[in-house]
Amino acid sequence: AQSVTQLGSHVSVSEGALVLLRCNYSSSVPPYLFWYVQYPNQGLQLLLKYTSAATLVKGINGFEAEFKKSETSFHLTKPSAHMSDAAEYFCAVSESYGGSQGNLIFGKGTKLSVKP
Amino acid sequence: DSGVTQTPKHLITATGQRVTLRCSPRSGDLSVYWYQQSLDQGLQFLIQYYNGEERAKGNILERFSAQQFPDLHSELNLSSLELGDSALYFCASSVGVSYNEQFFGPGTRLTVL
Repeated sequence: AQSVTQLGSHVSVSEGALVLLRCNYSSSVPPYLFWYVQYPNQGLQLLLKYTSAATLVKGINGFEAEFKKSETSFHLTKPSAHMSDAAEYFCAVSESYGGSQGNLIFGKGTKLSVKP
Repeated sequence: DSGVTQTPKHLITATGQRVTLRCSPRSGDLSVYWYQQSLDQGLQFLIQYYNGEERAKGNILERFSAQQFPDLHSELNLSSLELGDSALYFCASSVGVSYNEQFFGPGTRLTVL
């Protein structure tokens, strides 16, 4: 079965510092990968998605992620953190076979704090 | 605003009761997904409907059921509620069946006392 592992349930950075949120997946076939963000008391918003085109994917709000097949990773980065980036971030993989194609399998989430 | 609406926003009920959560997908989306978010289990896929038909089932309990109506809105029915059913329930919608971007609603927070 496919799975997603997010390293670090909490990450704290200073405003202006690099943001790096880690995600590793397990999949026997090329996956579709997603990063979602959840602000307090809100639903999930798609940041970016990888669908087997370019390995470096640019998303909204200055975020990007790089698909590395050899490392089975899809880490999320942002060069300079802003206070408004404080939220919980979820990495997800889309089921890629059988009758469950398209359903999302989420990691446990990483809560990002940004210090002034 | 994702275009997906969910009602109610909050629901407080007692153990043993039955509740219905409602979701309206984005205009034009045919697929509806239900997810449960809890502290111990995280975000888990429950069930998917596509154009009125059940498409896939995840970790959905037998006490839970769902349906998608001809106007494409969906309802998630939770019965014989237990304390452990307290969670955020999200609905998401997408255009097609697979690999499409899913747009999430704001969620319904269910508290079972």
